Amino acid sequence: DAGITQSPRHKVTETGTPVTLRCHQTENHRYMYWYRQDPGHGLRLIHYSYGVKDTDKGEVSDGYSVSRSKTEDFLLTLESATSSQTSVYFCAISSGTSGRTDEQYFGPGTRLTVT
Amino acid sequence: GESVGLHLPTLSVQEGDNSIINCAYSNSASDYFIWYKQESGKGPQFIIDIRSNMDKRQGQRVTVLLNKTVKHLSLQIAATQPGDSAVYFCAERDAGNNRKLIWGLGTSLAVNP
Repeated sequence: DAGITQSPRHKVTETGTPVTLRCHQTENHRYMYWYRQDPGHGLRLIHYSYGVKDTDKGEVSDGYSVSRSKTEDFLLTLESATSSQTSVYFCAISSGTSGRTDEQYFGPGTRLTVT
Repeated sequence: GESVGLHLPTLSVQEGDNSIINCAYSNSASDYFIWYKQESGKGPQFIIDIRSNMDKRQGQRVTVLLNKTVKHLSLQIAATQPGDSAVYFCAERDAGNNRKLIWGLGTSLAVNP
């Protein structure tokens, strides 16, 4: 398995509180991604990073921010959590050696519940 | 675990039979395609990929076929086993932004013993 960990694995939080999810990789891959997975929607891209301090928005970025201060860590922050952000969050990495994404490797996921 | 109750198309097969999972992709300019398997409570796992300059690629018990004329991708699993029960996703590299993948909604494969 690719060396990807996510923390926490489970979290319950209240509406309006800030939440930060962490993705850590040991593969030295260039690209990192945050997805959310919900019934009927499959995997939807929130934000991604193509290098340290280089990030871009995905299709469902509203209400989320990210940071990547070093290669191995990619943080996803919900500034003020809402019930619509209850979901399973997956981090993925890709080597990006060709300047393009190839296969992406996924972490185990974080189940977030906003009450 | 992180199981997600997906309302998906379901394919039900008998153990030992061959399975075929189909996927239509959106952009004729896409040059790279991937199949993933997601078991309950886990993240998606890479199975096999294919580039647009190929029509077929084989792995261990799996074959991916690419028909660019009709923008169709299929995953064939030979001698399906109970451990193959999972949700299968196809993805294509976004031709407009090749740092991203575009994901299908998935197909649930159920293997009956």
